[in-house]
Amino acid sequence: EPEVTQTPSHQVTQMGQEVILRCVPISNHLYFYWYRQILGQKVEFLVSFYNNEISEKSEIFDDQFSVERPDGSNFTLKIRSTKLEDSAMYFCASSRSGENQPQHFGDGTRLSIL
Amino acid sequence: SQKIEQNSEALNIQEGKTATLTCNYTNYSPAYLQWYRQDPGRGPVFLLLIRENEKEKRKERLKVTFDTTLKQSLFHITASQPADSATYLCAPPGYNQGGKLIFGQGTELSVKP
Repeated sequence: EPEVTQTPSHQVTQMGQEVILRCVPISNHLYFYWYRQILGQKVEFLVSFYNNEISEKSEIFDDQFSVERPDGSNFTLKIRSTKLEDSAMYFCASSRSGENQPQHFGDGTRLSIL
Repeated sequence: SQKIEQNSEALNIQEGKTATLTCNYTNYSPAYLQWYRQDPGRGPVFLLLIRENEKEKRKERLKVTFDTTLKQSLFHITASQPADSATYLCAPPGYNQGGKLIFGQGTELSVKP
């Protein structure tokens, strides 16, 4: 069964540095998402992406965050200047359509900011 | 704002029994609701989706109900097994079209042999 893959599995970065998290969604899916989960807390929506543009973003997704689909297979999340509070598990997900469809999640990138 | 509440206390049951997990939502009426399973250090895995016009949905040993009057969904695992031990997440969509999911904090289920 096709799956969403994320790299790296663990990223350690100094505060203030830029970080790029990478995802390969399922190939025939059209909607892409990033969520995050701070240790011990709930999974939180960050951003949804369709037709090469952001369709919705949360309050967490401020100017320090950006997403890109640089080619036909990759979907990336960039944090420009990381803060300590960005430490979390970041999950990428994809779905066939935006509504009424299951979302398929990767196993996440654990981001640790020092 | 939309609020999703699941039992925060862990649920411990004996193998073979039925586990029932509760999800309550307030301040809106979602057209559908999804349930996911999450194991430690892993991403959520989709289990079931139920729409507002469906009272009940089943898949193997899993059953979900959706009561739009009570604003509640119940998730049942029958004949539970130790392999069912995980955290179960309720996730209705957000207000806007586009598929955003709002997750509850999850209920941790532990099935003892």
